[in-house]
Amino acid sequence: ETGVTQSPTHLIKTRGQQVTLRCSSQSGHNTVSWYQQALGQGPQFIFQYYREEENGRGNFPPRFSGLQFPNYSSELNVNALELDDSALYLCASSRRQGTNEQFFGPGTRLTVL
Amino acid sequence: ELKVEQNPLFLSMQEGKNYTIYCNYSTTSDRLYWYRQDPGKSLESLFVLLSNGAVKQEGRLMASLDTKARLSTLHITAAVHDLSATYFCAVLMYNFNKFYFGSGTKLNVKP
Repeated sequence: ETGVTQSPTHLIKTRGQQVTLRCSSQSGHNTVSWYQQALGQGPQFIFQYYREEENGRGNFPPRFSGLQFPNYSSELNVNALELDDSALYLCASSRRQGTNEQFFGPGTRLTVL
Repeated sequence: ELKVEQNPLFLSMQEGKNYTIYCNYSTTSDRLYWYRQDPGKSLESLFVLLSNGAVKQEGRLMASLDTKARLSTLHITAAVHDLSATYFCAVLMYNFNKFYFGSGTKLNVKP
């Protein structure tokens, strides 16, 4: 069973730029959630995708957007990057039915200069 | 909005000792999850608690859920150094498909 993978591992951007992060779900999982984890803090829920549609959203501005593809992989897009966007971005996949247990990828470390 | 509070935030303990980490949440939910995170790593799922009174155990860790008190506990028995990590609880607001994490408890087990 293939686990959750994310790319890239690290990324450095400057303020105002745009970034796209990618996630491949664990085999058999149909739901993807994205989280932002600042240093020393707990993960903050950004949004969840199911059947290629946003299915729940945390308190993040619209410049955070996403996509889910038919193979359940997903992208997180962030426009107009701000310094405070520097964080570890985690993707988690799960099955919609059952326990909703989430399995996390290794994360993408984004640094905004 | 649901609030999740963990305490303590930092815990330094000797090997062989017992301790409990607490997770309180502010809104009704019957789905609670515990995760472990090692420095610089991602989150590893430890326990899934789905109903009032649920108890799960794995090795030296035991988790429980009291939905009426909106409280989950993670009990550590006879701690060993390998348990040093940050532990997070997370609560699912099922109807809104939103997950809320606590701030984490950083556990340091000293030999």
